[in-house]
Amino acid sequence: DTEVTQTPKHLVMGMTNKKSLKCEQHMGHRAMYWYKQKAKKPPELMFVYSYEKLSINESVPSRFSPECPNSSLLNLHLHALQPEDSALYLCASSHPGQGFRTTGELFFGEGSRLTVL
Amino acid sequence: KNEVEQSPQNLTAQEGEFITINCSYSVGISALHWLQQHPGGGIVSLFMLSSGKKKHGRLIATINIQEKHSSLHITASHPRDSAVYICAVRSSTGNQFYFGTGTSLTVIP
Repeated sequence: DTEVTQTPKHLVMGMTNKKSLKCEQHMGHRAMYWYKQKAKKPPELMFVYSYEKLSINESVPSRFSPECPNSSLLNLHLHALQPEDSALYLCASSHPGQGFRTTGELFFGEGSRLTVL
Repeated sequence: KNEVEQSPQNLTAQEGEFITINCSYSVGISALHWLQQHPGGGIVSLFMLSSGKKKHGRLIATINIQEKHSSLHITASHPRDSAVYICAVRSSTGNQFYFGTGTSLTVIP
């Protein structure tokens, strides 16, 4: 199984709603990532979890709250979002990087397209 | 300045043409990735390179570590190759990936 599965594929929410994006992989990867991608732009890193611990938080607003309940799952909890948060949210996973010879191929999910009204 | 620079930004080719996309980077890396993204879609990993050259079907990727440069070649291009191609590098210090801005390729029948 070389898949990263993201749900839901599409989400429309109001600014007062609370929702969650989910990501799942069963490749034994211990590094998982959330990226945000706006149209015609490259992905922007939001969070990195390494061995289920938050290792990188790229100054993301607190209305985005990540959670890694186990080594296969990664959630992104959304609350009080703004219309400018509308984007494609991509989850990715890899083996944690430790040096030049580490196999660290990056696998992406199909993304969750979020629209904030 | 971006850690990863790609060129060209946009590329239009006739079906059958040989295509080259270039990537230069300025950080120490443990690996370089070539990724493909179709409009509105998720990202697929095409290659992961740490040295030399890899080939998969009509796609060839090369990397020169000393020059911090990589190229992606597509031979006998086809309209289904139309997509955005993204170069990404994994930093040598850990789990950080840096992305290029992508090359939007359109192959015309």
